[in-house]
Amino acid sequence: NAGVTQTPKFQVLKTGQSMTLQCAQDMNHNSMYWYRQDPGMGLRLIYYSASEGTTDKGEVPNGYNVSRLNKREFSLRLESAAPSQTSVYFCASSNPEYLGTEEAFFGQGTRLTVV
Amino acid sequence: DAKTTQPTSMDCAEGRAANLPCNHSTISGNEYVYWYRQIHSQGPQYIIHGLKNNETNEMASLIITEDRKSSTLILPHATLRDTAVYYCIVRSGGTSGTYKYIFGTGTRLKVLA
Repeated sequence: NAGVTQTPKFQVLKTGQSMTLQCAQDMNHNSMYWYRQDPGMGLRLIYYSASEGTTDKGEVPNGYNVSRLNKREFSLRLESAAPSQTSVYFCASSNPEYLGTEEAFFGQGTRLTVV
Repeated sequence: DAKTTQPTSMDCAEGRAANLPCNHSTISGNEYVYWYRQIHSQGPQYIIHGLKNNETNEMASLIITEDRKSSTLILPHATLRDTAVYYCIVRSGGTSGTYKYIFGTGTRLKVLA
């Protein structure tokens, strides 16, 4: 059981380049999340998706777009990368209580550097 | 979303109980308290959660005050491997699924040999 898988694990981008971070979960969870973590800081929610076909903004959505491609996959896109987006990005998934799984499971992160 | 306040850092002797406090004075009636930890820069790991009652599992115990405005995570016998950043999170409940986990800055726990 792989859980939450993020690709790539590491990435270096030049300012202005675009890229998509991929996230897939194999736990049949309804909800998925994207967070960023800057050095020495806690995680901040970028976007989340309560179910397939829906997405909502979190605390820091500017500069990002997301796609909930299907129930398994939730991608995060940087259209024009900026040095301020240098961070570690975490994807997570969970289910609401009535579906029996209550905690969020996190991937191992994508370390992105924008130069 | 309710905010949480935690001490920035704490030390604990190996083998002793580690008690990590969290203040969530603006918590609403349907919001759960969750605890996660992050070791090095790995993805956060779930520890325990609760709504009103105290909870215990194989990793830790969670004590929630009667007014639910604060809680304490207890690691009964801390080991060096428990050195991590511990996050207290308030998550809205309900069946809609439109909840979110908002992290604070966490408590950096250092277990000392």
